[in-house]
Amino acid sequence: AQSVTQLDSHVSVSEGTPVLLRCNYSSSYSPSLFWYVQHPNKGLQLLLKYTSAATLVKGINGFEAEFKKSETSFHLTKPSAHMSDAAEYFCVVIRYNNNDMRFGAGTRLTVKP
Amino acid sequence: DTEVTQTPKHLVMGMTNKKSLKCEQHMGHRAMYWYKQKAKKPPELMFVYSYEKLSINESVPSRFSPECPNSSLLNLHLHALQPEDSALYLCASSQDRGVAGGTDTQYFGPGTRLTVL
Repeated sequence: AQSVTQLDSHVSVSEGTPVLLRCNYSSSYSPSLFWYVQHPNKGLQLLLKYTSAATLVKGINGFEAEFKKSETSFHLTKPSAHMSDAAEYFCVVIRYNNNDMRFGAGTRLTVKP
Repeated sequence: DTEVTQTPKHLVMGMTNKKSLKCEQHMGHRAMYWYKQKAKKPPELMFVYSYEKLSINESVPSRFSPECPNSSLLNLHLHALQPEDSALYLCASSQDRGVAGGTDTQYFGPGTRLTVL
């Protein structure tokens, strides 16, 4: 079975400092992994995805994530946080051979002025 | 254009009412999904349609009834709901269901905020 674990339920950073949101995955097969962002009272927006091509994946709004098979991790990073980055972030794994997603519990990012 | 639209944005209904949620996409996607999201929780998959046929029902109570009239439209009919059904209902679509080991990105609508009184 495939699953993801988001290691922090809440992360707080100051504006202009780096962001690190951690995600570990469990999969019997080579996984497809995604990061989605959800702003308050909004739908989910795709930030980036890994589908067994380059291990360093660049996404929108300056975010990137690195797939590390040896550590079973897919952490999301951004060099410099912006106030508009405050939101809920979900790490997602795709169930093998269909497209059904399994979400992590989410990490709430707070950005302080 | 990667837009999925959902109407209405907000819905308040009583437990005896019948209402419907609507989802539309014009990206030519052949897979469409309904998710339920409670406050401070991740979305939970409810239904999956592939080529207008129901392919997944995640043991959802029969008071939720999905319908896919055509490849662009997905409805969720609601009847005799309970207060615990209050949630954000999200629709998503993807090119296909990632068969043969592929992966197709899911694009989400903004959701319908449902309150059951």
